[in-house]
Amino acid sequence: AQSVTQPDIHITVSEGASLELRCNYSYGATPYLFWYVQSPGQGLQLLLKYFSGDTLVQGIKGFEAEFKRSQSSFNLRKPSVHWSDAAEYFCAVDNDYKLSFGAGTTVTVRA
Amino acid sequence: DTAVSQTPKYLVTQMGNDKSIKCEQNLGHDTMYWYKQDSKKFLKIMFSYNNKELIINETVPNRFSPKSPDKAHLNLHINSLELGDSAVYFCASSQGGASNYGYTFGSGTRLTVV
Repeated sequence: AQSVTQPDIHITVSEGASLELRCNYSYGATPYLFWYVQSPGQGLQLLLKYFSGDTLVQGIKGFEAEFKRSQSSFNLRKPSVHWSDAAEYFCAVDNDYKLSFGAGTTVTVRA
Repeated sequence: DTAVSQTPKYLVTQMGNDKSIKCEQNLGHDTMYWYKQDSKKFLKIMFSYNNKELIINETVPNRFSPKSPDKAHLNLHINSLELGDSAVYFCASSQGGASNYGYTFGSGTRLTVV
């Protein structure tokens, strides 16, 4: 089965600084990959997804992700973080009618 | 309009009770899911229904029984609740496999068993 790994459990970033969250996947073919965000006490919101085509994917809230087959990675980036970006971020891969999630990365934004 | 709605949002109950969580989607999707998020925030699928038919049943105690009366609804009934059932339960939906449009999640039901 396909799986994803998020190596960073917790990241602290200053407001206005750039953010990069790492995600590595294991799968032989092209996976269907997703990034979700969960704000405190909230549900899961889809930030962006990659199915095929252009390897640089634009999402909501100013986020983007780049699919790199050679590195088996799908890292999430934002050029300038806002305090409201403090949340839990999950990378996920589609496994035939179900999502397999990474363990998540907690992002703390300091003023 | 909420795309995937779950009720209740919070549920506090005693051990041994039976409880249900309801989920409805108005997206016209044909597949619905239940996910469990544990205290470490790890998310894992429990069940999946496609056109009211059970297609995924992960290793879940048989105290958990999903029911899908129609394509737009998927309920989760839990018998004889245990402390370890405390978690956040998310309902989700998709059209076919996620490869088309992705999954849409509800806002979750926080279940606390005391």
